[in-house]
Amino acid sequence: QVQLVQSGAEVRKPGASVKVSCKASGYTFTTYYIHWVRQAPGQGLEWVGMINPDGGETTYAQKVQGRVLLTGDTSTSTLYMELSSLRSDDTALYYCARGRTHMVTTPFGYWGQGTLVTVSS
Amino acid sequence: DIQMTQSPSTLSASVGDRVTITCRASQSIISWLAWYQQKPGKGPNLLIYKASTLESGVPSRFSGSGSGTEFTLTISSLQPDDFATYYCQQYYSNSWTFGQGTKVEIK
Repeated sequence: QVQLVQSGAEVRKPGASVKVSCKASGYTFTTYYIHWVRQAPGQGLEWVGMINPDGGETTYAQKVQGRVLLTGDTSTSTLYMELSSLRSDDTALYYCARGRTHMVTTPFGYWGQGTLVTVSS
Repeated sequence: DIQMTQSPSTLSASVGDRVTITCRASQSIISWLAWYQQKPGKGPNLLIYKASTLESGVPSRFSGSGSGTEFTLTISSLQPDDFATYYCQQYYSNSWTFGQGTKVEIK
């Protein structure tokens, strides 16, 4: 079965960087786009960006453009989200999510368990 | 970016009630709309895609309708397991956006 297993919680100071991982299993890694979505405490869902694991093409939300880098490692079926110049409003639960189908125009059918990133001085 | 606006933000209802949540897009998204359910401490769960297609395993009391800019999620008879927060999401443009969520509470 499809599984997305994320790395554990992180605490960083403002201005630092964080790298979160998402290990995929149960399907052909390069066939499906992976998205990253975040949820600040008590708030709604915010799309962060998308990566095509087959080739590494990425698309980012305007709000984090220039501070976020999505990468993938086909040898380990693992995706990474690196966020730099962290601010307090980056504090959130970060999810990786897989497209329901292999198309770009598809909702998110599978989600990781989430990784809490806390930015605090 | 396409803005998605849900209403209401909070909804109080009783078991057995018919519940309707509305989602409006700032421009036409044709039928590229999904609905998710999220329970506290859990990730979202896909309920409906392409505005009205029920995801496999989702109870038939959930239904979706609409096209263009206006969409609805209906729960025909609210069950105890349905008390949760619901989000709409457009996937028409390459900048996926969500509504702000509707929390369905016990009346």
